[in-house]
Amino acid sequence: SQTIHQWPATLVQPVGSPLSLECTVEGTSNPNLYWYRQAAGRGLQLLFYSVGIGQISSEVPQNLSASRPQDRQFILSSKKLLLSDSGFYLCAWSAMKNTEAFFGQGTRLTVV
Amino acid sequence: GIQVEQSPPDLILQEGANSTLRCNFSDSVNNLQWFHQNPWGQLINLFYIPSGTKQNGRLSATTVATERYSLLYISSSQTTDSGVYFCAVIFTGQGAQKLVFGQGTRLTINP
Repeated sequence: SQTIHQWPATLVQPVGSPLSLECTVEGTSNPNLYWYRQAAGRGLQLLFYSVGIGQISSEVPQNLSASRPQDRQFILSSKKLLLSDSGFYLCAWSAMKNTEAFFGQGTRLTVV
Repeated sequence: GIQVEQSPPDLILQEGANSTLRCNFSDSVNNLQWFHQNPWGQLINLFYIPSGTKQNGRLSATTVATERYSLLYISSSQTTDSGVYFCAVIFTGQGAQKLVFGQGTRLTINP
């Protein structure tokens, strides 16, 4: 069966420090991969998605970037964190177009 | 872009009550999912429902795609049903499917 792993679960980082969040999927090949952010406990905002290795699409301009160095690995990064980057970050995958999406456990990031 | 509106934003009920959560969307979509976010933030898949009605225990969902809405029914509520319920519509753009989320309904079930 397919599983998605996301780490770390919680992270406290100072303003101006770098960030690297990792997400990996097991049990499937060539998944669509997604990064979402949730602020203030409500709706999720799509940040990045990827349909293949090295293919990244950004939904909103921001202080973050994403990379997909391997088929089932998706990384969210920042060179210098801002206070406004605080939030709950969720990685998701889906098998192909128009199929169900599944989410990781999320990373709660606090920038201080 | 597609707009997704959920109502009500907050709902407080006593244990044993029934509830109906609504999701309206502004454009044609390929599919729709309902999620429950538990107190730890985890998103639990409830239904993947492009149209029609599905049932899973005390929960059921109905999507009427032609009228651009979906309903989530929770019967005989339990305290463990508390949390935020999200609908997300799925549409395909630029080679990938995208989920656009509503703002959620926060459900509180009191004992």
